Amino acid sequence: ETGVTQSPTHLIKTRGQQVTLRCSSQSGHNTVSWYQQALGQGPQFIFQYYREEENGRGNFPPRFSGLQFPNYSSELNVNALELDDSALYLCASSSGGAVGYEQFFGPGTRLTVL
Amino acid sequence: GIQVEQSPPDLILQEGANSTLRCNFSDSVNNLQWFHQNPWGQLINLFYIPSGTKQNGRLSATTVATERYSLLYISSSQTTDSGVYFCAAREFTGAGSYQLTFGKGTKLSVIP
Repeated sequence: ETGVTQSPTHLIKTRGQQVTLRCSSQSGHNTVSWYQQALGQGPQFIFQYYREEENGRGNFPPRFSGLQFPNYSSELNVNALELDDSALYLCASSSGGAVGYEQFFGPGTRLTVL
Repeated sequence: GIQVEQSPPDLILQEGANSTLRCNFSDSVNNLQWFHQNPWGQLINLFYIPSGTKQNGRLSATTVATERYSLLYISSSQTTDSGVYFCAAREFTGAGSYQLTFGKGTKLSVIP
């Protein structure tokens, strides 16, 4: 069974640029959630994708957007990067239905905005 | 939304000691997860525990949903237990969506 994978591992961008982060869900999982973790804080929910549609969003502006593909992999796109976007971005996958909502996390992408 | 509070924020233990980490949540939750975050940032699942008690080796967890708290017990701590421990409460946010709300974590340092 393959776990959740993310790419790239690290990324450095400058303010105003755009970035795309990628996530492959664990085998058998159809739901992907993205979280942002600032230094010294707990992860914060950005949004969730199920059946290729966003079906839940946390308190993040529209410049944070995403996609989910038919194979359940997902992308997180951030436009007009700001210094405060520097963080660890975590992707989590889970299966839907009446059971199995436990979320499993990937290793994360560390984004630095200069 | 739900508020999740963890205590203590920092904990230093001598190798071999036992510890209890606490997680309080402000409202009814659908479920609760405990994670260990290693120095590289990876969140490792420890327990998925809506209620009751579970044990896995030297670690065990208890959730009392009616009183809105969960406890993580670490016995005979080892230096490899060092890291940040998070609890996260799951809440449904409508339209089939659910999210995990995390506490700020307990940073555990186990010294030889």
